[in-house]
Amino acid sequence: SQQGEEDPQALSIQEGENATMNCSYKTSINNLQWYRQNSGRGLVHLILIRSNEREKHSGRLRVTLDTSKKSSSLLITASRAADTASYFCATEQAGTALIFGKGTTLSVSS
Amino acid sequence: DTEVTQTPKHLVMGMTNKKSLKCEQHMGHRAMYWYKQKAKKPPELMFVYSYEKLSINESVPSRFSPECPNSSLLNLHLHALQPEDSALYLCASSQVILAGNNEQFFGPGTRLTVL
Repeated sequence: SQQGEEDPQALSIQEGENATMNCSYKTSINNLQWYRQNSGRGLVHLILIRSNEREKHSGRLRVTLDTSKKSSSLLITASRAADTASYFCATEQAGTALIFGKGTTLSVSS
Repeated sequence: DTEVTQTPKHLVMGMTNKKSLKCEQHMGHRAMYWYKQKAKKPPELMFVYSYEKLSINESVPSRFSPECPNSSLLNLHLHALQPEDSALYLCASSQVILAGNNEQFFGPGTRLTVL
């Protein structure tokens, strides 16, 4: 079963622009994670934000978490062609393993 | 070594064949996972092993049979698969399960085609 719903499903931007993806979920969580997947390959962990955190940064990535709205956003600043990939949010709840959202496909053109 | 390896990269099998997918990690992780991913869909959890014991089986058909021979290896045995089982099969590992701080490391996957 899917917990997270990403928005938008697809996003096309130019190099240098910022990309924002949103994730909504349904139940209480321990943490929320973002993963990147290049076409047909394995997933790469980007960032984890715990339920008691509101914002986290890692390089060009900024993640926010609003537990009252059950939503999170991933901001990629100054995007590059190499950022082209699918991005998934995943939630960890008590008593279960990670549940992935449907994903956002990001295309960055030069 | 922060890598999860999977073999083979590609596998084509008939519906009567028996084959196995293999996954290996040497990060000392005690939780290992199998996921199935169809095109343009998110990964779907199949099985979770914790300390070499099956912890979660997401109601997966018995034609998929997982095995964890030791803390570094995870196998997925395949028998009498259907064409709809064609997908990317991903293996992942993490330090432990349900720790609240559980980053998963994924292998590159095995692209399975069932004819």
